[in-house]
Amino acid sequence: GQNIDQPTEMTATEGAIVQINCTYQTSGFNGLFWYQQHAGEAPTFLSYNVLDGLEEKGRFSSFLSRSKGYSYLLLKELQMKDSASYLCAVMDSNYQLIWGAGTKLIIKP
Amino acid sequence: IAGITQAPTSQILAAGRRMTLRCTQDMRHNAMYWYRQDLGLGLRLIHYSNTAGTTGKGEVPDGYSVSRANTDDFPLTLASAVPSQTSVYFCASSEAGGNNEQFFGPGTRLTVL
Repeated sequence: GQNIDQPTEMTATEGAIVQINCTYQTSGFNGLFWYQQHAGEAPTFLSYNVLDGLEEKGRFSSFLSRSKGYSYLLLKELQMKDSASYLCAVMDSNYQLIWGAGTKLIIKP
Repeated sequence: IAGITQAPTSQILAAGRRMTLRCTQDMRHNAMYWYRQDLGLGLRLIHYSNTAGTTGKGEVPDGYSVSRANTDDFPLTLASAVPSQTSVYFCASSEAGGNNEQFFGPGTRLTVL
């Protein structure tokens, strides 16, 4: 079966750094996406990785290791507005997205 | 319209009733999708359409139908609603091609009693 695992909830302090992990087992791999979803709102795109390595975009970075079936999203200089759920999704061999349940990130002052 | 819209925002429906959720995008995206999101579960694909005139089944298609008469609209119909269809429904669209980001509508919160 296809499976995406990520922690249910994480807590971090404003100004700090947090790493959200995602492991996956899917039928085929055509890229990994990270989305941010604030409570009661729609998911919005953060990053896309298809090759191994780190992609940096401002305060957010995303890493991929295809051989390990592993990715992480790194958020630096945390702000209160970063409190949200972070969704990991893998595009499978049929070019359909398989979604993790999301990691709820709580930022404390 | 800017982006992707959904209607209604929320709805309470009696079991057995028929309901159509509307989705419209103005980005001229070829691909469109319907997902449901339930607490503790990831988004699950209900149906998709890669281009106008074609549709396909996702992970959880039973009890739902879709049509794609044109590029902009992708309605989702529940023929006879059941309580297990209580969920938040998101419509999304993307450029053709697998590795393009999906843009999501604001969602419809549906409660079936």
